[in-house]
Amino acid sequence: KQEVTQIPAALSVPEGENLVLNCSFTDSAIYNLQWFRQDPGKGLTSLLLIQSSQREQTSGRLNASLDKSSGRSTLYIAASQPGDSATYLCAVREYSGNTPLVFGKGTRLSVIA
Amino acid sequence: KAGVTQTPRYLIKTRGQQVTLSCSPISGHRSVSWYQQTPGQGLQFLFEYFSETQRNKGNFPGRFSGRQFSNSRSEMNVSTLELGDSALYLCASRGIGSSTEAFFGQGTRLTVV
Repeated sequence: KQEVTQIPAALSVPEGENLVLNCSFTDSAIYNLQWFRQDPGKGLTSLLLIQSSQREQTSGRLNASLDKSSGRSTLYIAASQPGDSATYLCAVREYSGNTPLVFGKGTRLSVIA
Repeated sequence: KAGVTQTPRYLIKTRGQQVTLSCSPISGHRSVSWYQQTPGQGLQFLFEYFSETQRNKGNFPGRFSGRQFSNSRSEMNVSTLELGDSALYLCASRGIGSSTEAFFGQGTRLTVV
């Protein structure tokens, strides 16, 4: 059974710092991996989608990498801002792609001005 | 282009009652998935519908059911509500093709008293 783990569970950093959020998964037979952001009490906002054949994806200040063989993904946030404060969730989709997303518990990020 | 719309945003129900939640996917998307989010368990998959057929089902009791209409709108129903059903219920839609991103709605916050 696929399990997704995100470390750390919470992180507090000063504004302007570059940071890395980690995601690991137990079964490397994934179809794709998606990073989301969730603000308190709100839905999920898709940040980046990485296909299993890709090594990384970039969007603005965000860069996500994928090492399928080691079961790891990282989300790099450059020059963090207070508006980046949120919970970041990693999710994998297995096998053929017509399977549900399996989520980690998330990393709660606080960026202090 | 409108996003995923969930209604209502908030609900308060009494134990033993039933409830119906609604999700309108992004126009053109035929896949709708439902997830339950609680502080203790995180995001857990309920079921997925594609072209009016249930394609996947999570490990939830039969009190949780769903359906999808010909216009791809989906509803989920929870009968005989229990206190433990209090959660944020999230709906996600995807377009055709397994590589596409999942887009989530703002969720329905259900409180059972």
